[in-house]
Parts: sequence; structure tokens; C-alpha cells
Amino acid sequence: DQQVKQNSPSLSVQEGRISILNCDYTNSMFDYFLWYKKYPAEGPTFLISISSIKDKNEDGRFTVFLNKSAKHLSLHIVPSQPGDSAVYFCAASAGGTYKYIFGTGTRLKVLA
Amino acid sequence: DADVTQTPRNRITKTGKRIMLECSQTKGHDRMYWYRQDPGLGLRLIYYSFDVKDINKGEISDGYSVSRQAQAKFSLSLESAIPNQTALYFCATSDPRLANEQFFGPGTRLTVL
Repeated sequence: DQQVKQNSPSLSVQEGRISILNCDYTNSMFDYFLWYKKYPAEGPTFLISISSIKDKNEDGRFTVFLNKSAKHLSLHIVPSQPGDSAVYFCAASAGGTYKYIFGTGTRLKVLA
Repeated sequence: DADVTQTPRNRITKTGKRIMLECSQTKGHDRMYWYRQDPGLGLRLIYYSFDVKDINKGEISDGYSVSRQAQAKFSLSLESAIPNQTALYFCATSDPRLANEQFFGPGTRLTVL
């Protein structure tokens, strides 16, 4: 049973436009959410996170939105740049367990 | 220099062989993790350790074992490798003082024939 789902395996966006990556979860105990970016032949790198006490967190071009009632979070990248082309994973943890459940990833391609 | 290193980076082995994947970190973090990545399945947690004397099973620990030799070293062993253990393996570390961010190594690509 996939507790964290990324239903879009891939996404293509024009440079300069907004990229929106989505993530759904089923476990209501999750209270901390993270996004990671992964380039080929490298390990994932942390991008941005959000606690369940917030509904939005912003860091430069990256904003994460959390809708707890819908058990949904999204990552917005504005403006998108070719260097943003990578696989993006969302991850969730519950109650300070520091165990992370990852989604299946979305491959973003930003077209120049 | 990389903060989290994994050796080997690539390994091809045969069914039934014992293999060890090693992870070292210079970040000084107590917490270390092993994940595997399969196409369409994302990253799944195999084992994790919150300090040298602490070992915990993750989602998919069957067929694997780990050893935490020191704060900086966390090894993953496949006692008798099988083809469905072919995957990309990642080691990660974290520090609870740095919220929930994890720092990943570059990965080991393992192929079991």
C-alpha cells in the first residue's frame, strides 16, 4: 500500500513558466513533508520542507503548499529553469520518528 | 570532498553470492539509513540506525542485514544475493538538530545475475 503517491511520472514545462508537482498521502499521522531533487548518477538532495502546522513554505523560486484536509501537497517552481530538470521525490514522516516514506518520483523536464 | 560516500559505486554479482555495500560519512551525524530505489517504486527504507548501538528494520529488510561499526560507518549486507535485489542503493544521514533533512550518498548500482 503506497502511503505517499506521486501520480504523475513525468512533466514537461517551458522555461520561465511555472512547474507544479503534486503529491498525495494517505496516513493522517504524517506531520512533516519534504521534497528532494535527484539528478542522474547522484543521490537525492534536499529541496524544501513543510510542517503540518503550516500550509505554505517558500524558499526562493520554490514554494510548497500543504492541504491537510485533502492530504495533498504540491511543489511550485517559478520560474522554471533548464537546470531544474530532474526527478523530484516527496517524502513524509510521522510524529518525530525520522522514518521517511518516499513517493515514486516525478521526472521534470524544463524545455529551453 | 563528499560528506557521504558509498563503495562500491557499481557492482555486478551472481545469485547466491554474499555482498557488502559500505557507507561512510564525515558529517558527524548519529542517524544513518539505507534505501533502495527501483523504477516506479521510489525509495524504500531497508534499515536505519539512530546511534552505534541502535539498529531498526525498515519497510523491506528481508534478505538484508546491517552493521553499524562506528558513528561514521554503516554497512549493508546481502547474505545470499538474488536477482530481485538488483537496484540502486542509497545511504543517507540526518541530524535531528537540522529538522528532518537527510543527506544522501551518490548511490551504489547493484546488479545480481
